[in-house]
Amino acid sequence: AQSVSQHNHHVILSEAASLELGCNYSYGGTVNLFWYVQYPGQHLQLLLKYFSGDPLVKGIKGFEAEFIKSKFSFNLRKPSVQWSDTAEYFCAVIPVDSSYKLIFGSGTRLLVRP
Amino acid sequence: DSGVTQTPKHLITATGQRVTLRCSPRSGDLSVYWYQQSLDQGLQFLIQYYNGEERAKGNILERFSAQQFPDLHSELNLSSLELGDSALYFCASSLSGAQFFGPGTRLTVL
Repeated sequence: AQSVSQHNHHVILSEAASLELGCNYSYGGTVNLFWYVQYPGQHLQLLLKYFSGDPLVKGIKGFEAEFIKSKFSFNLRKPSVQWSDTAEYFCAVIPVDSSYKLIFGSGTRLLVRP
Repeated sequence: DSGVTQTPKHLITATGQRVTLRCSPRSGDLSVYWYQQSLDQGLQFLIQYYNGEERAKGNILERFSAQQFPDLHSELNLSSLELGDSALYFCASSLSGAQFFGPGTRLTVL
């Protein structure tokens, strides 16, 4: 079955530290990839998406992600986090030629200490 | 603001009852998706509608049903409610590709 794995369930960083959140998916075909963020008490917001082309994708708020097809990975990065980045981050995948369902990872809770 | 609206924001009801959650997609989006988010289950895809027709089904219970109307708004009906149905219910819409989420309805079953 298709699945998305986010390796870190909880991450704690100090402000200005660099961030990398891992995401791996299990599907051998073409995929669309997404990162969503959910700030405390709010709904999910799209951070960035990858459909095709340059595997390094830049999103909002200084986030970027790199698609490595050979590793089935789509890791999220930010060079310097801020306290306001405290949120839960979800990686999601759409298997394009299969179900077209958006499959979410279990999420990573990021706490940034001032 | 994603452009997706959901009503009501909060709903408190008793076990055994039935409720209806409403979602209006972004203008122009044909697809509507419903998700359930709870602490123990995480974010679970329930069902998708595309231009009025059911397109994909996820972990949706038989007690739950949904529909999408000609004006593209959607309703999720939850019946014979149980304590375990307490969760946040999100609706999302898309035209193609990325899904945009509404603010959610927080359902509390007492």
